[in-house]
Amino acid sequence: DQQVKQNSPSLSVQEGRISILNCDYTNSMFDYFLWYKKYPAEGPTFLISISSIKDKNEDGRFTVFLNKSAKHLSLHIVPSQPGDSAVYFCAASAPYQFYFGTGTSLTVIP
Amino acid sequence: GAVVSQHPSWVICKSGTSVKIECRSLDFQATTMFWYRQFPKQSLMLMATSNEGSKATYEQGVEKDKFLINHASLTLSTLTVTSAHPEDSSFYICSASASGGLAKNIQYFGAGTRLSVL
Repeated sequence: DQQVKQNSPSLSVQEGRISILNCDYTNSMFDYFLWYKKYPAEGPTFLISISSIKDKNEDGRFTVFLNKSAKHLSLHIVPSQPGDSAVYFCAASAPYQFYFGTGTSLTVIP
Repeated sequence: GAVVSQHPSWVICKSGTSVKIECRSLDFQATTMFWYRQFPKQSLMLMATSNEGSKATYEQGVEKDKFLINHASLTLSTLTVTSAHPEDSSFYICSASASGGLAKNIQYFGAGTRLSVL
C-alpha cells in the first residue's frame, strides 16, 4: 500500500517557467514532509521540508505547499533552470515511519 | 517494481549488545546501497554508502567502528550497530540502486528498522 504517491512520473518545463511537482499521502498521522532531489547514480539530497503545522515554506526558488485537508503537498520551483533537471521525491514521516514517493522526473528545457 | 527488504522492522536490545540489520534487494542486483538514520522531524541523515565488494564510505561524523557496514554480495548489505547505547535508538533505513537493468539509476528504499536500546 503506497502511503505517499507521486502520480506524475515525469514533467517537462521550459527554462524560466514554474515547475510544480505534486504529492499525495494517505496517513493523517504524518507530521513532517520533505522533498528530495536525486541525480542519476547518487543518493537523494534533501531539498526542503515543511512541518504539518505550516502550510507553506519557502527557500529561494523552492516553495513547498501543504494542504492537510486534501492530504496533498506540492513543490514549486520558480524560475526553473536546466540544472534543476533531476528526479524529485516527496517523503512523509511520523515517529518511526518514513515513506518516499515514487519520484517525478523533471526536465527543464533550455 | 524493484523491492528492497529490510529486516528486522523493529528490534529491542540491551545496552552494550550488538544488533545487525539486513537490507536485501529482492529482484535486482544492488551495486550500491545506502544507509540512513532518521531523526525526528528532520531529513534522513546519510550514514554511509557501500559498493559491493569494497569498503563503505562513511559520512563525516559517523563512527566507522560503531556502525559496521558489509556489502558482501550484490543482494545483501548489513549494518551492525556495535555496543549499542540508548542514544543509538533511532530509525534506520537502507536503500539500494543498480548500475543497470530494472533498477538502473533508481534508488529503492527499505521500510526501515526501528532500533530501541534499553
